Amino acid sequence: EVHLVESGGGLVQPGGSLRLSCAVSGFTFDDYGMHWVRRGPGKGLEWVSGISWNSGSVGYADFVKGRFTISRDNAENSLYLQMNTLRPEDTALYYCGKDIGLLWSGGLETWGQGTQVTVSS
Amino acid sequence: QSVLTQPPSASGTPGQTVTISCSGSRSNIGNNDVYWYQLLPGTAPKLLISRYNQRPSGVPDRFSGSKSGTSASLAISGLRSEDEADYYCAAWHDSLSAWVFGGGTKVTVL
Repeated sequence: EVHLVESGGGLVQPGGSLRLSCAVSGFTFDDYGMHWVRRGPGKGLEWVSGISWNSGSVGYADFVKGRFTISRDNAENSLYLQMNTLRPEDTALYYCGKDIGLLWSGGLETWGQGTQVTVSS
Repeated sequence: QSVLTQPPSASGTPGQTVTISCSGSRSNIGNNDVYWYQLLPGTAPKLLISRYNQRPSGVPDRFSGSKSGTSASLAISGLRSEDEADYYCAAWHDSLSAWVFGGGTKVTVL
């Protein structure tokens, strides 16, 4: 069974940094692209970032470009999101997701339960 | 403001059919597959409709997706109390090279 478990969320001040992690099991991690998606309080889902199976291709939503960095460690079956210069509007539940294919343009297939990030002073 | 447009709410009585619309443009829905997700409180989002309007294994055939031009729809037939949830559409956006979502539709079973 496919499992994705996010961690690393918490309370951080504006301008601060956090690193989210996503541990996966139940599938061959390096056969699939991966994503980060968030849902802010009272808001809908927003795609944040995607990465291909071999890290050769990555993509970001405009609102995180230059601040967030997605990465993966296929040996550790883990996905990461380094978040810098955090803003209050980044407050959200962050989900990691598995793509249906090698890249990050195929579609999100399976999701984790999310980790909460709160940016506040 | 979401790139894809969904009604904020929809409702029906048990057994009825509820249809949720998702409107976009040629750059997203018009050129690409539409995905539908169900969000229940405290649980991981669940994929209901995948590419080619296919249902993943385990999704009841009460859920069906369709697309025409730059709009898509999710139909829930034989509505059940456990279908009360938030539903989101999503599609790849060509010019943004990004995934875009609808604002979500809260389905209430009366």
